[in-house]
Amino acid sequence: GAVVSQHPSWVICKSGTSVKIECRSLDFQATTMFWYRQFPKQSLMLMATSNEGSKATYEQGVEKDKFLINHASLTLSTLTVTSAHPEDSSFYICSANDRSGGTYEQYFGPGTRLTVT
Amino acid sequence: QQQVKQSPQSLIVQKGGISIINCAYENTAFDYFPWYQQFPGKGPALLIAIRPDVSEKKEGRFTISFNKSAKQFSLHIMDSQPGDSATYFCAASGNQFYFGTGTSLTVIP
Repeated sequence: GAVVSQHPSWVICKSGTSVKIECRSLDFQATTMFWYRQFPKQSLMLMATSNEGSKATYEQGVEKDKFLINHASLTLSTLTVTSAHPEDSSFYICSANDRSGGTYEQYFGPGTRLTVT
Repeated sequence: QQQVKQSPQSLIVQKGGISIINCAYENTAFDYFPWYQQFPGKGPALLIAIRPDVSEKKEGRFTISFNKSAKQFSLHIMDSQPGDSATYFCAASGNQFYFGTGTSLTVIP
């Protein structure tokens, strides 16, 4: 199956700093990537949909000025958590659609554990 | 309104038993129904998926049963193993993916 990578796998930062998380599709081109947030023992919460070359579409309640998403190429999307606070600590997961061959498969990255101190 | 409802929230099965997780959806326009397996600290991994034009799909020990008229689908794990212990998410997709709330499966040796 298709592979999606995320970097870093975990990060600890101080309150008020910004953190960038990268999501890459390694063996396919992804015109659409998704960013999720997951709290312990809960389901995935869609934050935003990222389309290559255009502005991301944010879900209701997600602050677009705080969670900056850039999808500069068909294989890379980045999520920047600006002015991070302890309540932003969470597990962030990206996914990418592989629509080659007319399928609808969505492949997930391994996730990034963010801890804000 | 929750688009996909999943049950049970948690499940404990003896090794060798059958694990069954159920999902129900609302939107008849959904045309793709995947199941994901997630281990702690890892991202979800696609396990098996089905389209509404078939009623069952089997891959190894994993089977999806799909009931279009009832708008329900389920995951059956045959001969459950301790290594199957994980959280399982169903999803339904049209233009967007909607995930169930997850089922924590524990397989007891």
